[in-house]
Amino acid sequence: NAGVMQNPRHLVRRRGQEARLRCSPMKGHSHVYWYRQLPEEGLKFMVYLQKENIIDESGMPKERFSAEFPKEGPSILRIQQVVRGDSAAYFCASSPPGRDRASEAFFGQGTRLTVV
Amino acid sequence: AQSVAQPEDQVNVAEGNPLTVKCTYSVSGNPYLFWYVQYPNRGLQFLLKYITGDNLVKGSYGFEAEFNKSQTSFHLKKPSALVSDSALYFCAVRDTHGSSNTGKLIFGQGTTLQVKP
Repeated sequence: NAGVMQNPRHLVRRRGQEARLRCSPMKGHSHVYWYRQLPEEGLKFMVYLQKENIIDESGMPKERFSAEFPKEGPSILRIQQVVRGDSAAYFCASSPPGRDRASEAFFGQGTRLTVV
Repeated sequence: AQSVAQPEDQVNVAEGNPLTVKCTYSVSGNPYLFWYVQYPNRGLQFLLKYITGDNLVKGSYGFEAEFNKSQTSFHLKKPSALVSDSALYFCAVRDTHGSSNTGKLIFGQGTTLQVKP
């Protein structure tokens, strides 16, 4: 059973370009969470999605950031017109379906975005 | 507001000595508490969790944690540290209060553990 897969592992973008980060959850998992880790900081929640639905986007910046989790395919975190402050590690986590809050989340290896 | 605090940025211990990484939390309702470890340029690996029951929880790699409700703490411990335990450790809480909670994790700032030979 493959773990949470994120790609790319490293992404370099010039200011103003778009960054697209992908996350495939563990098999059987239907809940996806995105977190951002800024340098020297802990992880901050960004968005929580289930298939075809955004459940909680309270941690997403108001502009330039969007996320989706289509019926087929991976979850995508999209950052438009990137700025240097977007440079960070972006982690995806997945958990099983249902409201079992006792279940731990499983994290991917992360995508390290560098904006130059 | 929900929060997690890890008061120490770094903990240094000698190999073979016991280690403790501190964590305190503040939530409404019953806390679900987790510890994760992050090695350099890697993702987070689950170590252990407290949901209910025995206050002493045992996890991966010989780690354990003690839940203390009165002190709102969930300190991570290991009786004998290894050099390979050197990494960044995160405490996290998932609040289960109310129907609107979405299961997201609230993380502490992280504590770097340095184990010296």
